[in-house]
Amino acid sequence: DGGITQSPKYLFRKEGQNVTLSCEQNLNHDAMYWYRQDPGQGLRLIYYSQIVNDFQKGDIAEGYSVSREKKESFPLTVTSAQKNPTAFYLCASKSGGASGELFFGEGSRLTVL
Amino acid sequence: EDKVVQSPLSLVVHEGDTVTLNCSYEVTNFRSLLWYKQEKKAPTFLFMLTSSGIEKKSGRLSSILDKKELFSILNITATQTGDSAIYLCAVEYSNYQLIWGAGTKLIIKP
Repeated sequence: DGGITQSPKYLFRKEGQNVTLSCEQNLNHDAMYWYRQDPGQGLRLIYYSQIVNDFQKGDIAEGYSVSREKKESFPLTVTSAQKNPTAFYLCASKSGGASGELFFGEGSRLTVL
Repeated sequence: EDKVVQSPLSLVVHEGDTVTLNCSYEVTNFRSLLWYKQEKKAPTFLFMLTSSGIEKKSGRLSSILDKKELFSILNITATQTGDSAIYLCAVEYSNYQLIWGAGTKLIIKP
């Protein structure tokens, strides 16, 4: 079945450690996104990528990094520079061009101890 | 500044009631408005609206867009406990970019 797979689903990290969240899609979508969701809030864009080897900062990119070496993969690294990393992270993808829905992964919940 | 505002932020109703959720926007280069339902983890797609006045319907859910007054509503009739969720609204303003509202948390009491 086509879809988006995020891993891990739950992750605990000590302060000062970097952590990488995986996002893989087999929908052949051009665009991929990373969002952060805090309790009671909507989605805030961290980074997005329209094509391989290219990505743009979103509204809250500080303390995060990404890569897009393959069309299928868009990993997110939460660095120690991110001051408040505990959150729910959602990866999404979309076909390029015309308007269309975003498809979401199941999310990764990161807790910093 | 572009923005999407949802109201109410939270709502508690009894099973069988009808609810109306609102999404207003101020976005340049509007392309479409999307509604999603988020129960526990991944948001699931409900509707995409691009034209004013054309109602989209799926079972007990329906939605309509008013591009003159810059808002959309999502109606749920004969609510069930399974409708309890966060309902998210987003406006697409380019091929790849969307602005999201804060969501409406809907709780249906049996």
